[in-house]
Amino acid sequence: AQTVTQSQPEMSVQEAETVTLSCTYDTSESDYYLFWYKQPPSRQMILVIRQEAYKQQNATENRFSVNFQKAAKSFSLKISDSQLGDAAMYFCAYRSQLQTGANNLFFGTGTRLTVIP
Amino acid sequence: KAGVTQTPRYLIKTRGQQVTLSCSPISGHRSVSWYQQTPGQGLQFLFEYFSETQRNKGNFPGRFSGRQFSNSRSEMNVSTLELGDSALYLCASARRWGDEQYFGPGTRLTVT
Repeated sequence: AQTVTQSQPEMSVQEAETVTLSCTYDTSESDYYLFWYKQPPSRQMILVIRQEAYKQQNATENRFSVNFQKAAKSFSLKISDSQLGDAAMYFCAYRSQLQTGANNLFFGTGTRLTVIP
Repeated sequence: KAGVTQTPRYLIKTRGQQVTLSCSPISGHRSVSWYQQTPGQGLQFLFEYFSETQRNKGNFPGRFSGRQFSNSRSEMNVSTLELGDSALYLCASARRWGDEQYFGPGTRLTVT
């Protein structure tokens, strides 16, 4: 079974600074998707960024970028120029790409990010 | 375009009762997945429906069930509620099986 591990329960960052959230995963599959979701206090889970395992290029979405190391099964999220609105719980998630496999997401335990003004 | 909607947003039930939660996916989305979120267990997959068929089910007891209607709306039902069923229940929709999932705001269920 796939497992996702987030070893940092809490992180803090000064406004306008950069922070990196860590995620590792375990799988025997070669094709899969990885995601970072953000859950602010409003509870709405918002997709931040996604990465297809077959792509070597790291995904980037504005101030958010990932460092995907497939061999190390590592998928970290970098937030640049942190803003107060970035404060939230961040979840790393895995999903199989197999057509006959499960479509469900496997989530890590989350990292609570605090942004200090 | 309206997002995923879930009703009700908050619910308080007593042990032994049953409850039905509703999820309306984004227009055009045919896949609906349900997740349970608790402080102790985190986010866990309950089940997924696509075109009115259950495609996959997580490791939950039979008290948890669901269904999907022809308009893609989905309901989940929990019978004989237990205190441990208190959780945030999240619904997510996708256009097709395998596409990105978009989450609703969740239903906060409290069992007393």
